[in-house]
Amino acid sequence: EVQLVESGGGLVQPGRSLRLSCAASGFTFDDYAMHWVRQAPGKGLEWVSGISWNSGSIGYADSVKGRFTISRDNAKNSLYLQMNSLRAEDTALYYCAKGALRHYDMEGGMDVWGQGTTVTVSS
Amino acid sequence: QTVVTQEPSLTVSPGGTVTLTCASSTGAVTSGYYPNWFQQKPGQAPRALIYSTSNKHSWTPARFSGSLLGGKAALTLSGVQPEDEAEYYCLLYYGGAQLVFGGGTKLTVL
Repeated sequence: EVQLVESGGGLVQPGRSLRLSCAASGFTFDDYAMHWVRQAPGKGLEWVSGISWNSGSIGYADSVKGRFTISRDNAKNSLYLQMNSLRAEDTALYYCAKGALRHYDMEGGMDVWGQGTTVTVSS
Repeated sequence: QTVVTQEPSLTVSPGGTVTLTCASSTGAVTSGYYPNWFQQKPGQAPRALIYSTSNKHSWTPARFSGSLLGGKAALTLSGVQPEDEAEYYCLLYYGGAQLVFGGGTKLTVL
């Protein structure tokens, strides 16, 4: 069974940093792109960042470009999101999601999602 | 700033058919945008329904189908069930490693 488990969320002050992790199991991790998607309270989904299966292609939403960094460790079946210079508007539930197509970059979209980890940015 | 537009809300009767659409501010949506569709119910993580315009995941009910319609991506539900009441989101790929979600359509089954 494919499973994605996010961790690392919490309450953080504006301007500070946080690192999210996503532990993957049940599939060949290094065959698939991976994504971070967030959802602010009562709002819709926002794609945050994605990384291709071989880390050769990385993308960010304009809202986080220059502040967030996505990475993956295929040996540990893990995905990460380093979030710096956090703002109140980054407050959201952050989901990790698996790419839908094997050996594709980000164009395949995503199929399986984790349950999310909550990030609250407030003083 | 690329904007992906969906109907904010739609209402359908049980057993009926409804089509949700997904438009891009950049012009006509084609298969090169690899449209994806997701369903989200309150308090739950999103669930993938359709990828690459019209392909279903193994868990996607047969009553859901994806297509391109009039320059937009479309999700059609045929024989709507009460459990289909949910928020539906489309996702488009813009190249250059960029993806954008639509604002979502709240589907009411009444």
